Amino acid sequence: QKEVEQNSGPLSVPEGAIASLNCTYSDRGSQSFFWYRQYSGKSPELIMSIYSNGDKEDGRFTAQLNKASQYVSLLIRDSQPSDSATYLCAVRDDKIIFGKGTRLHILP
Amino acid sequence: SAVISQKPSRDICQRGTSLTIQCQVDSQVTMMFWYRQQPGQSLTLIATANQGSEATYESGFVIDKFPISRPNLTFSTLTVSNMSPEDSSIYLCSVEGPGVLTGEQYFGPGTRLTVT
Repeated sequence: QKEVEQNSGPLSVPEGAIASLNCTYSDRGSQSFFWYRQYSGKSPELIMSIYSNGDKEDGRFTAQLNKASQYVSLLIRDSQPSDSATYLCAVRDDKIIFGKGTRLHILP
Repeated sequence: SAVISQKPSRDICQRGTSLTIQCQVDSQVTMMFWYRQQPGQSLTLIATANQGSEATYESGFVIDKFPISRPNLTFSTLTVSNMSPEDSSIYLCSVEGPGVLTGEQYFGPGTRLTVT
């Protein structure tokens, strides 16, 4: 069974620091990788997508993909209290599979 | 990204009744999906809504319980039939394509269902 694993947290990070969120996946055939942010009581919001090995940067967010290690991560620089949310990793081959999410708490 | 709306946003229903949830997109999309998210849990895919044909259901979900319609490329409905308290959950529709990168899905605001 295809799986996407994330540490459930909570991960507590001081404001202004770098938050590092990690995800591993089981299906080597996966081609597309996504990070979603979900605030409490809201629906998931796509914040990053990555398709090839290496880093992809978008503002304060950097997604990192290592297909050989079946590992994808999300770095949030200069963390803000508004970044406090649950972050869902998602991996797609023939269908998209979501991890259970990591709760991130930014400490003011 | 597409603008997605869902109706109703929330409802409280009695067991044994049915509720139909609507999902409307402001542009034509290739794929539409229905998910369930129970409190504190991740997303579980119920089915893929196929335009002009029967929906494709995931393991554990059946058409009699969750009938789905998709009459065109911008609209779909999910019905939760013969409800029990175990059906209390948030139901989300999502869309993919055209005009987006491979696999990117965008979610509607969700429908919070409570069954008493």
